[in-house]
Amino acid sequence: ELKVEQNPLFLSMQEGKNYTIYCNYSTTSDRLYWYRQDPGKSLESLFVLLSNGAVKQEGRLMASLDTKARLSTLHITAAVHDLSATYFCAVDIWGAQKLVFGQGTRLTINP
Amino acid sequence: GAGVSQSPSNKVTEKGKDVELRCDPISGHTALYWYRQSLGQGLEFLIYFQGNSAPDKSGLPSDRFSAERTGGSVSTLTIQRTQQEDSAVYLCASSPAFWGDSYEQYFGPGTRLTVT
Repeated sequence: ELKVEQNPLFLSMQEGKNYTIYCNYSTTSDRLYWYRQDPGKSLESLFVLLSNGAVKQEGRLMASLDTKARLSTLHITAAVHDLSATYFCAVDIWGAQKLVFGQGTRLTINP
Repeated sequence: GAGVSQSPSNKVTEKGKDVELRCDPISGHTALYWYRQSLGQGLEFLIYFQGNSAPDKSGLPSDRFSAERTGGSVSTLTIQRTQQEDSAVYLCASSPAFWGDSYEQYFGPGTRLTVT
């Protein structure tokens, strides 16, 4: 059974600081997704990582994938308050046709 | 263009009643998915549709849950004899394909179900 674990689950940080959220998964997977969720809102797609070594960047967020280590990271650079949200990673497996989500990381960025 | 839409946005029902939740996927998307998000269980996969058929129903929590999709478009998730543990946000997603580089799931706003 595929398991996806994120850490930390809660993260409080100051504006301007850098930090990384980690996503580990238990079985081989071809692709990994990062989503953002604001309170009371649905999931917004941030990144789709399709292969080993994939790196994608959007603004202050950068995601990477290491399929050999079964690890993805979401790096936040010089955080700003607007990035406060819950971030989920999700993994799928060929043939399973479903996403398995991590527990989510609740990120709070303080002025 | 229009995204995935769901209705109702909020539903409060009494224990034991039946409820129907509706999902309108993005036009042209062949795949449709239902998930449930609750405090205790996080985000759980329920069921997916390939066209109008649902090859995998193993994620449905009990036989009180059923889903159908008609015309390769709209889907309805039905919960019979609702229980308090059914309270959650039910999310629908759609995708233009099942694999390949265009495989990405786009989520709707969700239906918040509260069973009293």
